[in-house]
Amino acid sequence: GAVVSQHPSWVICKSGTSVKIECRSLDFQATTMFWYRQFPKQSLMLMATSNEGSKATYEQGVEKDKFLINHASLTLSTLTVTSAHPEDSSFYICSARDILAGSNEQFFGPGTRLTVL
Amino acid sequence: QKEVEQNSGPLSVPEGAIASLNCTYSDRGSQSFFWYRQYSGKSPELIMFIYSNGDKEDGRFTAQLNKASQYVSLLIRDSQPSDSATYLCAVRPGAGSYQLTFGKGTKLSVIP
Repeated sequence: GAVVSQHPSWVICKSGTSVKIECRSLDFQATTMFWYRQFPKQSLMLMATSNEGSKATYEQGVEKDKFLINHASLTLSTLTVTSAHPEDSSFYICSARDILAGSNEQFFGPGTRLTVL
Repeated sequence: QKEVEQNSGPLSVPEGAIASLNCTYSDRGSQSFFWYRQYSGKSPELIMFIYSNGDKEDGRFTAQLNKASQYVSLLIRDSQPSDSATYLCAVRPGAGSYQLTFGKGTKLSVIP
């Protein structure tokens, strides 16, 4: 099956610093990747849709200048949390859709747990 | 506001019993429905999806969809302790969008 990786799997940073999270589709091409955030005991909330070669589409209430998304290739999307604050501590999960498979299935990465001190 | 509602649980069933998980959605135009399982600290993994009204079976799992009632359910037969997890219902809107809206999930505990 299709595999999506994320790096790092966890990160701890100081308040005010920036953190980059990578999402890679390992054995398929993904023109579209999705970034989700999940707080404890909450569901996944879609933050943005990342489109290869174009600007990301952000959900209402998500600051595009704070959560920078770059989708430079068909296998890599990055999410940069700029000037991170403790309230940004969360579980960040990406997913990708295999454009050649013709299915609706999204394949999820293992997630990145961000802790901002 | 598109919403997906699930009973948060916890739902406790004895080993070997049938676990029934329910989900309702607000967007009548929704076309695709997914059930994911999420273990604590892990990302979701797809169990199955359903597009058409009726039942769809895959091993011990059966998804049921009733678009008129805007209701989708997941039955787990012969529940095992390893089935203990949070089950997320996700809904995809109409054609052209692949975004998913997730419910908050139902926590299932299968008691040995």
